Amino acid sequence: AQTIHQWPVAEIKAVGSPLSLGCTIKGKSSPNLYWYWQATGGTLQQLFYSITVGQVESVVQLNLSASRPKDDQFILSTEKLLLSHSGFYLCAWSPGTGVGTLYFGAGTRLSVL
Amino acid sequence: GDSVTQTEGQVALSEEDFLTIHCNYSASGYPTLFWYVQYPGEGPQLLFRASRDKEKGSSRGFEATYDKGTTSFHLRKASVQESDSAVYYCALSDWTNTGKLTFGDGTVLTVKP
Repeated sequence: AQTIHQWPVAEIKAVGSPLSLGCTIKGKSSPNLYWYWQATGGTLQQLFYSITVGQVESVVQLNLSASRPKDDQFILSTEKLLLSHSGFYLCAWSPGTGVGTLYFGAGTRLSVL
Repeated sequence: GDSVTQTEGQVALSEEDFLTIHCNYSASGYPTLFWYVQYPGEGPQLLFRASRDKEKGSSRGFEATYDKGTTSFHLRKASVQESDSAVYYCALSDWTNTGKLTFGDGTVLTVKP
C-alpha cells in the first residue's frame, strides 16, 4: 500500500526566515507529485506539480519554490517567509497516467509571525 | 478558466436528517468530478469520483450523479450521523494530467446528536 509522509507536522517561523517542508511517498514508483496550500478556513490551491524527477512546474507565484530531488521526494522551500505564507501545506500524489485521483498527506501547519 | 461553486458555506443538521450540498461547475471539455472530505487537522480524503455524464459515485452512504446538462454534481446522504461532521469539497480535474484539481470553497457540515 502507498503511504505519504509530510514533515514537519507544524512550524512556527519568523517573517524573513527560511523554510523547508518535505514529503515522501512510499510504495508507488514514478508518481505525479503536488503541493497545495490552504489558508485558514479557505479552499485548496495548487502551487506546484512534478511529473518526473528534477522537473517541477509552478502554478501560482507565491515567492515559494519546489524541487524533486528523488522519485519519491518533494520539497517546498523559500529563503524569506512572508506573513501571507501562513496556512496549511499539503503534499499529494497521483498515479502517473491519466486523470488520477489525488491522495493527500496529513499536511504541515505553518504559522509566520 | 475552470471553476467550482458550492452554494452552501455551512450546513447544520441533526442526526438522521437528509443532506444536500449543491455543486455546480464550469469547465471546457469533459472534466472528472470529485467529492473530498476533510476532517480537522487532516488532509482531504477522496469520497468518490465520476467521469461520465449520468455516472453515479457513492461511498459511505454519500452519493452524487454527474449531470452534464445542468453542470452539477450535488452531494446527498439520506441520514447523516454526528461522525459525518467535516468540511466537504467538490472538485474537478481537467484532462491534461497536470493533476490540477480546482476546488470549491468547501461546505462545513455540523451534525448535532
